[in-house]
Amino acid sequence: EVQLVESGGGLVQPGGSLRLSCAASGFTFSSYWMSWVRQAPGKGLEWVANIKQDGSEKYYVDSVKGRFTISRDNAKNSLYLQMNSLRAEDTAVYYCARDAPSSGWFFDYWGQGTLVTVSS
Amino acid sequence: EIVLTQSPATLSLSPGERATLSCRASQSVSSYLAWYQQKPGQAPRLLIYDASNRATGIPARFSGSGSGTDFTLTISSLEPEDFAVYYCQQRSNWPPPWTFGQGTKVEIK
Repeated sequence: EVQLVESGGGLVQPGGSLRLSCAASGFTFSSYWMSWVRQAPGKGLEWVANIKQDGSEKYYVDSVKGRFTISRDNAKNSLYLQMNSLRAEDTAVYYCARDAPSSGWFFDYWGQGTLVTVSS
Repeated sequence: EIVLTQSPATLSLSPGERATLSCRASQSVSSYLAWYQQKPGQAPRLLIYDASNRATGIPARFSGSGSGTDFTLTISSLEPEDFAVYYCQQRSNWPPPWTFGQGTKVEIK
């Protein structure tokens, strides 16, 4: 069974940093692009970043470029999101999601999400 | 950036009725469009990919159509578990960003 489990969320002050993790199981993690998608409270979904299977390509939404870094450790079946210089507008539930070639490269599995709250 | 506009914002219907949700793109996305369902407190679930293909395990009452800039998600006969928020998403441009619509809430009338 495919499982994605996020962790690392919490309350952080504006300007602070946080590192999110996503533990993957039930599939060959190293064979898939992976993404982070976020959802502000009561709002819609926003794709944040994705990373190629070997980590050689990474892409970000403009609003997080230069502040967030996506990475992965295929030996540990884990995806990460390092978030620096956090702002109030980064407050959201952050989901990790699998990009599925068998489903048109859309997100076929999602984690349960981890809440990041940026507030003083 | 490609903007996706969903309509209506809210759809009030009764179980057994047909639901028709719209997603319009600011420029052509060919058929690179998906639909997701999200219930309160849950992660989104992929329903439809490439505009008209049902994802694994999705009931046949869900169907998608369209190409270019105009897309439709149809639920032929609403079941109680179908009341939720639905999002469209495109991934036609490379490199990203991929974008989502703002969502349509299907509520019980």
